[in-house]
Amino acid sequence: AQSVTQLDSQVPVFEEAPVELRCNYSSSVSVYLFWYVQYPNQGLQLLLKYLSGSTLVESINGFEAEFNKSQTSFHLRKPSVHISDTAEYFCAVSDRGYGGATNKLIFGTGTLLAVQP
Amino acid sequence: DTGVSQDPRHKITKRGQNVTFRCDPISEHNRLYWYRQTLGQGPEFLTYFQNEAQLEKSRLLSDRFSAERPKGSFSTLEIQRTEQGDSAMYLCASSLDRRETQYFGPGTRLLVL
Repeated sequence: AQSVTQLDSQVPVFEEAPVELRCNYSSSVSVYLFWYVQYPNQGLQLLLKYLSGSTLVESINGFEAEFNKSQTSFHLRKPSVHISDTAEYFCAVSDRGYGGATNKLIFGTGTLLAVQP
Repeated sequence: DTGVSQDPRHKITKRGQNVTFRCDPISEHNRLYWYRQTLGQGPEFLTYFQNEAQLEKSRLLSDRFSAERPKGSFSTLEIQRTEQGDSAMYLCASSLDRRETQYFGPGTRLLVL
């Protein structure tokens, strides 16, 4: 079984400041890792994912996350945030689908990124 | 590619009534998932279909819940004898392969009075 912990329920930050949203996971098997974003009154959208290969993954809008196997973490970072980044961010894990496993997503409780002018 | 669609977007019902939600996945996506999201929480897995076969059900899915995916296309989620605790956002997602992204629909928000 897998679980995800997002310790920060809310992260207030000023525009153009850097931000880090923390995510730790536990699992007895190898996993895929994801960050999804939910803008106000919109559905969940994939921000970035780690499947294999380079442990640093990037999104098209300047976010990046690094898979750290030893620390079982997948923290999300952005060097300079914008007002438009205000949203709820969910970290998620899934199994790799071997042996009939389903790839169901296990989500954390979310972190509200509140960007202030 | 028109994305995952869900219908209705909102549903208000009285306790004890039955409700049914529909999900239309992205065409050719053979994997379909249902999740439930309550206020302040992340989505929680309910059930999974590969084509028309329901391969996994969460313990969250009580006997009052049933899901189908006839012919491996759209899916329905029915809740019988609704309870106030069923109030939540019900999300559907689909994907093409185990390594591929799960794309989410806009959700159906259920309020049980």
